[in-house]
Amino acid sequence: DTAVSQTPKYLVTQMGNDKSIKCEQNLGHDTMYWYKQDSKKFLKIMFSYNNKELIINETVPNRFSPKSPDKAHLNLHINSLELGDSAVYFCASSQEGGGDNSPLHFGNGTRLTVT
Amino acid sequence: SQKIEQNSEALNIQEGKTATLTCNYTNYSPAYLQWYRQDPGRGPVFLLLIRENEKEKRKERLKVTFDTTLKQSLFHITASQPADSATYLCALGYSTLTFGKGTMLLVSP
Repeated sequence: DTAVSQTPKYLVTQMGNDKSIKCEQNLGHDTMYWYKQDSKKFLKIMFSYNNKELIINETVPNRFSPKSPDKAHLNLHINSLELGDSAVYFCASSQEGGGDNSPLHFGNGTRLTVT
Repeated sequence: SQKIEQNSEALNIQEGKTATLTCNYTNYSPAYLQWYRQDPGRGPVFLLLIRENEKEKRKERLKVTFDTTLKQSLFHITASQPADSATYLCALGYSTLTFGKGTMLLVSP
């Protein structure tokens, strides 16, 4: 059973479109995250949710909107896609969050290509 | 500004040798440090955690050291195997977990 699963694995779309990436974790964790890994391989945090509440929102354009219907799901909706949004997006979860030392469990990523 | 530096060049070693990867940081005072392994097309996988008051941590063939004076962590894989080939990421625990760019390790038979 996959602990953190995200769909789709690949997403190719045109500039200006709106798209969503879904994430689900079956670990019973309280905190979920979205990370972006760009072409230079930097893994940067975008958002963190604890028990459905937003606790971290790094400097991400407001075209990106996370939605957490329950603590097992954290979806990422992106409006008006731009070329620079092309990257691999990783969902992750941890038992706790906000600076403690809980390891992160990552999904296998969604490769977004904007043409 | 805050920086986490890992060797950008790949580390090539022969099977059976010890691989040593370096993670240096500046302008951070992390409470802990974590190491992850990332294979191509996959998400990072957690390996080890070391806290600021710990000098060394071991798990099977893995060993991590943490020197808060030098602002450096070393990650060792002893008796390396081709299956250890991957990218290894260090991550500093502060208000959030901040990742380095990773170092690719290639272990040849």
